[in-house]
Amino acid sequence: QQPVQSPQAVILREGEDAVINCSSSKALYSVHWYRQKHGEAPVFLMILLKGGEQKGHDKISASFNEKKQQSSLYLTASQLSYSGTYFCGTEIDNQGGKLIFGQGTELSVKP
Amino acid sequence: ETGVTQTPRHLVMGMTNKKSLKCEQHLGHNAMYWYKQSAKKPLELMFVYSLEERVENNSVPSRFSPECPNSSHLFLHLHTLQPEDSALYLCASSPGENRGNEKLFFGSGTQLSVL
Repeated sequence: QQPVQSPQAVILREGEDAVINCSSSKALYSVHWYRQKHGEAPVFLMILLKGGEQKGHDKISASFNEKKQQSSLYLTASQLSYSGTYFCGTEIDNQGGKLIFGQGTELSVKP
Repeated sequence: ETGVTQTPRHLVMGMTNKKSLKCEQHLGHNAMYWYKQSAKKPLELMFVYSLEERVENNSVPSRFSPECPNSSHLFLHLHTLQPEDSALYLCASSPGENRGNEKLFFGSGTQLSVL
C-alpha cells in the first residue's frame, strides 16, 4: 500500500537536474509532493490529481500517470536550497487528507 | 512558519512516565492529524480528526491516546511507551472539507526519546 520512491538518495552539483519517482500498487486519486529539510516541518510542494496532469512550481515540476500509478518530480537547474528529503504522499480516494507516504528521497545539492 | 505549532520540541521520557504532546493550529482548519516519523522509515499516519471527531485510527497501540478538544488543538497522551516508540511525532492540519486533495500543513514535530 505504501508507495515506493526511487532513488533513495541523490547528490547533485548546483545547476544539475534530477528526477524522483513515486510508484504505487494501487489506483490513485491524487499524489502529493512535500520537501522536508533537516529539523524542519515537511513543506507542501504540489498536488496532482488523476487525469495525467503536469504541474510546475518555479523550476520544480511533476507529472502523474494514473494508468501506470506513477508520479515523477522534476527538479531542473537545481539550487542549494533544493536540498532536503522529498516525500510523495498518495490518496486512493477523495476522503480527504489520509495520505500514505513513500520512504523519501534524500537530495543533496553541492556548490 | 506553517501556522502549526508543536510543543515540546524535544522530550525524553522513561517507560513508566506519562506525558503529552501538544499541537495548535492558527489556520482555521477543521482537520488535524498525528504522524509518526522514525529513522529510515516513511511518515506513518496515526490518527485523523475531522471537526473534533476521530475519523481514523491506523491500528495504533493503546499506549498512544489522542484528544481533540476543539478544532484548533490536538494532543497525544503517552503512557508506558517502549524504546521503539522513539521517533519524531508530527502534527498536521488541513482545511477539512473532506473532498480529497487537501494540502497538509505540518508542525516542526516533537522529537521523542524513550529510555
